[in-house]
Amino acid sequence: AQSVAQPEDQVNVAEGNPLTVKCTYSVSGNPYLFWYVQYPNRGLQFLLKYITGDNLVKGSYGFEAEFNKSQTSFHLKKPSALVSDSALYFCAVMTDSWGKFQFGAGTQVVVTP
Amino acid sequence: KAGVTQTPRYLIKTRGQQVTLSCSPISGHRSVSWYQQTPGQGLQFLFEYFSETQRNKGNFPGRFSGRQFSNSRSEMNVSTLELGDSALYLCASSGDQNNEQFFGPGTRLTVL
Repeated sequence: AQSVAQPEDQVNVAEGNPLTVKCTYSVSGNPYLFWYVQYPNRGLQFLLKYITGDNLVKGSYGFEAEFNKSQTSFHLKKPSALVSDSALYFCAVMTDSWGKFQFGAGTQVVVTP
Repeated sequence: KAGVTQTPRYLIKTRGQQVTLSCSPISGHRSVSWYQQTPGQGLQFLFEYFSETQRNKGNFPGRFSGRQFSNSRSEMNVSTLELGDSALYLCASSGDQNNEQFFGPGTRLTVL
């Protein structure tokens, strides 16, 4: 069985400060990891993914994530947060069972001016 | 390329009724997945269709069903609606293996 956990319901950060959104996973096979963002009344937008290769993955809007196999984590980071980054962020995992995504509960990011 | 489209965007039904939601994937995508999003349960996987066959299924009762047509368009049906079925229903399509899913804007279903 696969699962993904986002331990923080909400993350508050001041504009210009670094932003980190945590994600840990549990899978029995090779993990394929994803981050999505959801703005109010919108669908989910893809940010980045890790399939294989470099542990540091760069994605859209200046976001990046680091895959850490030993800690089974895939934390999302942004060096300098913007107010417009305020949204709901979802981590997702997919194993070799193609097409079956498991999403985390989501983390609300609030960036204050 | 046009994105994933879902119709209708908003729907209001009463308990006991049934509802059909539609999803048109990105052109060329053969996989379509459905999710239910609620404040309390988050994003929950309903099922995934690939080439007209249900390939994966989540843990939802049989009242939730779906199908996919030869043009990859998909429909989701919920029968005997309950108040707890009120949610945002998201559809996502994907192309190549292990690729990201592209989400539609969702259908907001309210059951009264």
